[in-house]
Amino acid sequence: NAGVTQTPKFRVLKTGQSMTLLCAQDMNHEYMYWYRQDPGMGLRLIHYSVGEGTTAKGEVPDGYNVSRLKKQNFLLGLESAAPSQTSVYFCASHQGGGNTIYFGEGSWLTVV
Amino acid sequence: AQSVTQPDIHITVSEGASLELRCNYSYGATPYLFWYVQSPGQGLQLLLKYFSGDTLVQGIKGFEAEFKRSQSSFNLRKPSVHWSDAAEYFCAVGAGFSGGYNKLIFGAGTRLAVHP
Repeated sequence: NAGVTQTPKFRVLKTGQSMTLLCAQDMNHEYMYWYRQDPGMGLRLIHYSVGEGTTAKGEVPDGYNVSRLKKQNFLLGLESAAPSQTSVYFCASHQGGGNTIYFGEGSWLTVV
Repeated sequence: AQSVTQPDIHITVSEGASLELRCNYSYGATPYLFWYVQSPGQGLQLLLKYFSGDTLVQGIKGFEAEFKRSQSSFNLRKPSVHWSDAAEYFCAVGAGFSGGYNKLIFGAGTRLAVHP
């Protein structure tokens, strides 16, 4: 079982470039999430989705867009990358209710 | 608003000593509570979770946590720390709706160092 898979794992971008992070889960989960992790701040929720075709803003949504066209995939887009978006990004999924949330292994993004 | 506070940013203990990591939460309803551990350069591993029932929860790697509603706390404990426990620990509360949650809110984390 692959669980939650994130691609790419590492990326360096120049300021102003765009990119998309892909999250794929094979557990048929309804809920999917994108978090960013910065030193001393824990994980902060960027956007999330409660089902195919839905998205919602989290704590820190500015500068990011998301799409959930297929239930198993949740894409995070940076239209015009900024150095402040240098971070580690984690995707997660869960079935809903009180079920456990599962995390991907992280994507390290550096914007120079 | 929901929030999680981990008062200790860094903790250092000697190998074999006992450990307690503090976590306080703010949430209006019955919380879903979690502890995760993250080794350097790695993802998050779930140590334990509390949804309901017995307030003392056992997890993996010899960890346990106690839910105290009156203190809004969910502290993580281990009776004897091993060098391999050196990592960052995150407390989280599941927020959203009655009977479940639709997002996790994390504390800022506690970095544990273990002296030989």
